[in-house]
Amino acid sequence: QQPVQSPQAVILREGEDAVINCSSSKALYSVHWYRQKHGEAPVFLMILLKGGEQKGHEKISASFNEKKQQSSLYLTASQLSYSGTYFCGTYYKNDYKLSFGAGTTVTVRA
Amino acid sequence: EAGVTQSPTHLIKTRGQQATLRCSPISGHTSVYWYQQALGLGLQFLLWYDEGEERNRGNFPPRFSGRQFPNYSSELNVNALELEDSALYLCASSFSGQQAFFGQGTRLTVV
Repeated sequence: QQPVQSPQAVILREGEDAVINCSSSKALYSVHWYRQKHGEAPVFLMILLKGGEQKGHEKISASFNEKKQQSSLYLTASQLSYSGTYFCGTYYKNDYKLSFGAGTTVTVRA
Repeated sequence: EAGVTQSPTHLIKTRGQQATLRCSPISGHTSVYWYQQALGLGLQFLLWYDEGEERNRGNFPPRFSGRQFPNYSSELNVNALELEDSALYLCASSFSGQQAFFGQGTRLTVV
């Protein structure tokens, strides 16, 4: 079972905001967000361990709605360096298999 | 502290051969995950090892196998290589459901 990410791709101009969603049909234990730049390994951004928790990394933040089994990643005042593919990873309750969504490709243009 | 290390960085094999990929987790991490990432695609879950045991495997044929050693390092073996096996193979390590960290990957090319 994989989490479902949306949208598949987003194009932004510098300074614009975007939201990436990650949802699951199974009860989540935690949600992890990663960013992968072309030709590189995914880099860990943040982990959300309990419902309602919000975390931040630079101007990138995330929330976790346990009731909806959904997490959202917020890119605020985007910078060129935010370009890449963002993946959400999920651990399900009683199962520490780390599954990833299909990814959201973010392109930030000057 | 050393991160997750994978070897080799690149591997070129002929169709039908076997490939062995290696992963050393971060010190203290007991879980190792293997993923296949075909060009331009997402992270397809292959295998998960924890405390020396295979805990789960993804939807891949049995010719994809592996093991985890007592020092928690891991090996991924791919037998009877096919052209479609060409991909970046990523290893990640974690401890007890905490954040996972990725190695730089092994680029496998099957010709």
